[in-house]
Amino acid sequence: EAGVTQFPSHSVIEKGQTVTLRCDPISGHDNLYWYRRVMGKEIKFLLHFVKESKQDESGMPNNRFLAERTGGTYSTLKVQPAELEDSGVYFCASSQTGAHDEQFFGPGTRLTVL
Amino acid sequence: SQQGEEDPQALSIQEGENATMNCSYKTSINNLQWYRQNSGRGLVHLILIRSNEREKHSGRLRVTLDTSKKSSSLLITASRAADTASYFCAINTDKLIFGTGTRLQVFP
Repeated sequence: EAGVTQFPSHSVIEKGQTVTLRCDPISGHDNLYWYRRVMGKEIKFLLHFVKESKQDESGMPNNRFLAERTGGTYSTLKVQPAELEDSGVYFCASSQTGAHDEQFFGPGTRLTVL
Repeated sequence: SQQGEEDPQALSIQEGENATMNCSYKTSINNLQWYRQNSGRGLVHLILIRSNEREKHSGRLRVTLDTSKKSSSLLITASRAADTASYFCAINTDKLIFGTGTRLQVFP
């Protein structure tokens, strides 16, 4: 069974540009999460989808970040316009039955904003 | 902050020794989870301990949870060089809240 996959693995962009990250959860997992780790700091929750609906988006830092999960399968996280402080590793995770259970993480996308 | 705080931040040991990492938190939890991250890779789930459990084992891993003290510990017995990684605790309150992690280095 394929795990959680993320694309790209690494993205380097300039300040002001737009970047879109993609996450493909494990097949059949209704719950999808986004997290990020900014340099040297803890991994922080961004948001949680249940199927195509946003269950909790309390961790989204500001309106430059837009997450979507059309059709309840893969998800995208768009950053527009990117700022220097957005640099970090963005992780996606999925779980089958809910937020209380084990979450399976993808390898992450390393975003560098110059 | 509700986040788990881990101690120590870094730990270096020889193969065969035991490694103990501690995690403290401030809020009520549904469960507490431990993850490992090898350099440049994703997070790997190690073990989940529920709030009504006190101890759990998985192979060479032993996790304890003391909800009265709001603390947990991860013990890796008979460590191996392949255990070298960063270890994170994450408290689950409806979402995962991670600590800053412990960097474990196991020397052959």
